[in-house]
Amino acid sequence: DGGITQSPKYLFRKEGQNVTLSCEQNLNHDAMYWYRQDPGQGLRLIYYSQIVNDFQKGDIAEGYSVSREKKESFPLTVTSAQKNPTAFYLCASSINGGNTGELFFGEGSRLTVL
Amino acid sequence: SQQGEEDPQALSIQEGENATMNCSYKTSINNLQWYRQNSGRGLVHLILIRSNEREKHSGRLRVTLDTSKKSSSLLITASRAADTASYFCATRANSGNTPLVFGKGTRLSVIA
Repeated sequence: DGGITQSPKYLFRKEGQNVTLSCEQNLNHDAMYWYRQDPGQGLRLIYYSQIVNDFQKGDIAEGYSVSREKKESFPLTVTSAQKNPTAFYLCASSINGGNTGELFFGEGSRLTVL
Repeated sequence: SQQGEEDPQALSIQEGENATMNCSYKTSINNLQWYRQNSGRGLVHLILIRSNEREKHSGRLRVTLDTSKKSSSLLITASRAADTASYFCATRANSGNTPLVFGKGTRLSVIA
């Protein structure tokens, strides 16, 4: 079935460690996105990519990094520079990054820093 | 930046009643979308309304858009316990190739 797969669903990290969240889609979508969700704050955009080998910073990119080497994959690395990484991370994709179109979301990855 | 702001933040109703959620935004938009999120899950797209549309229906959902007031409302009629979720509006700006910006959401509880 077509969709977006995020892994792992739950992840625990010690302070000072980098961690990479996986996001894979088989929808043949051009654009992919990473959002962070904290309680009561809605979704905030971390990074997005509208085409392979290109990506742009969102509103809260500091302490995060991404790559887009393949159309299907858009992994997010939470680095030790991110001061408050505990959150629910959501990956999404859309047909293109243009002025139409809905987002398709994965089921999320919950990161907890111990 | 969060352009959309939903109101109320939380809403509790009895099964069978209608639920109305509102969204206000700041800049001109190309379209406005509503999403639903069950607790601990990803978001699911419900409906999209374009800036030149005033009202749109999908099943028990009715969305209105007033661009002069920069506001939208989502009405869920004859609510069910399964409608319990958070609902988010998201806007796409009219300028350039910009991603969706989400509001903080309305938490809806439908009591059986």
